[in-house]
This record gives sequence, C-alpha cells and structure tokens, in this order.
Amino acid sequence: KNEVEQSPQNLTAQEGEFITINCSYSVGISALHWLQQHPGGGIVSLFMLSSGKKKHGRLIATINIQEKHSSLHITASHPRDSAVYICAVLNTGNQFYFGTGTSLTVIP
Amino acid sequence: DGGITQSPKYLFRKEGQNVTLSCEQNLNHDAMYWYRQDPGQGLRLIYYSQIVNDFQKGDIAEGYSVSREKKESFPLTVTSAQKNPTAFYLCASRLGGLRVLNNEQFFGPGTRLTVL
Repeated sequence: KNEVEQSPQNLTAQEGEFITINCSYSVGISALHWLQQHPGGGIVSLFMLSSGKKKHGRLIATINIQEKHSSLHITASHPRDSAVYICAVLNTGNQFYFGTGTSLTVIP
Repeated sequence: DGGITQSPKYLFRKEGQNVTLSCEQNLNHDAMYWYRQDPGQGLRLIYYSQIVNDFQKGDIAEGYSVSREKKESFPLTVTSAQKNPTAFYLCASRLGGLRVLNNEQFFGPGTRLTVL
C-alpha cells in the first residue's frame, strides 16, 4: 500500500470548469507538498502547507491533518493547466513520499 | 539565475556501462536528493544528502552510487549492477537539511536515461 494516494488518476475538464484533485496519506507528516509536472518532465512547486489553506492565483490548496487529507482546487481552468499534479508528504523523519500523480487535461 | 541544472536532458547508454548524471544547484541549499520516476509510479528516492560529505541510501539505492564533495554538486552514477536503469531521473534540493523542517523541494529538469 502506498503511503500517499491520489484521486482521480486521470481527469478531463472543459475550459472554465472548477477542478478538485484529492490526496490522502497514511503516515504522520510535518507538511504536504503539491507539485506540477509538465509534459517535458520538469516539476514546479505549487504549495507546501502544514495546516489550513493556501491560495495562489486560481489555485487553492487545503489540508485536514485530522483526516489525513488534502485537496488541490483549480478555479476557472484553462488548457495551460494541463499537467500532472503530484502530492507529496514530508514525514516526521524529514523524507518525502510521493503519490502517483493526477493527469489533468483541460479542453478548450 | 538561481536554480538546479541537470545534464544531459537525454542520455543513451549500452547495457553494462556505468553512466554518471550531473546535478548542480546554486541555491545554497544544504540537502540534495535523487529520485527515479517510472510510468504509473510515484517518484522513488534513490539517495539523499543532508550535508557535504554525507549521504544516505533511499528506498531503491541498489545499483546506484553518489558523492557529495561540494555543496553545489550531487552526481549520481548508474552502475551496471542496476537491473533496470531506463527511467527518468530527477534531482532536487532543499534548504536546511537537518536543521530546518517544512521547506519545499526544488527540482531540476530531469535526465531521461535509456539503456539499449
């Protein structure tokens, strides 16, 4: 069993739709990291959070430590949001564990 | 510009040859990491280093070796003992290492290794 589970694995949306990607984890963590990977392979950090909610532009990340769950929301989705979104948790031993990613395609 | 560089972007090698992947960062980060990414799987940790001249094995270290002689550099050698080396390799760095928690990782652009 993976320490980090993401859902859905694949997601297709129409431009403008509100998108939610979920992440559940089974280990004790000190923080959770949302990452974006584009087709070329490069990975960009979106958020790192340990409680509550963070917002950056059209992206919102929330975390519920008691439920061991985080969500990444994209408002007013755009084709340029098409990418793989990866959830990673930083455990109390200072190591990261990664989900398998959610592949998002936004259709114009 | 500050960042992490990996070279080359694509690498082809014959089976049985050792190959070294470069990773350099000018972010003054203490910690550096090597991950392997395979289709349908999450990133898996190969090796990591919290400080210069020290490194630890990750979950899949067999068949790999690293060195950390300088803070800026963390090269990864894929040896002939690695049974299935074809993969996408990502290097990352992070501020603080042992001393500072909850800092995000920054990733390089990756090297795609194909063993023929």
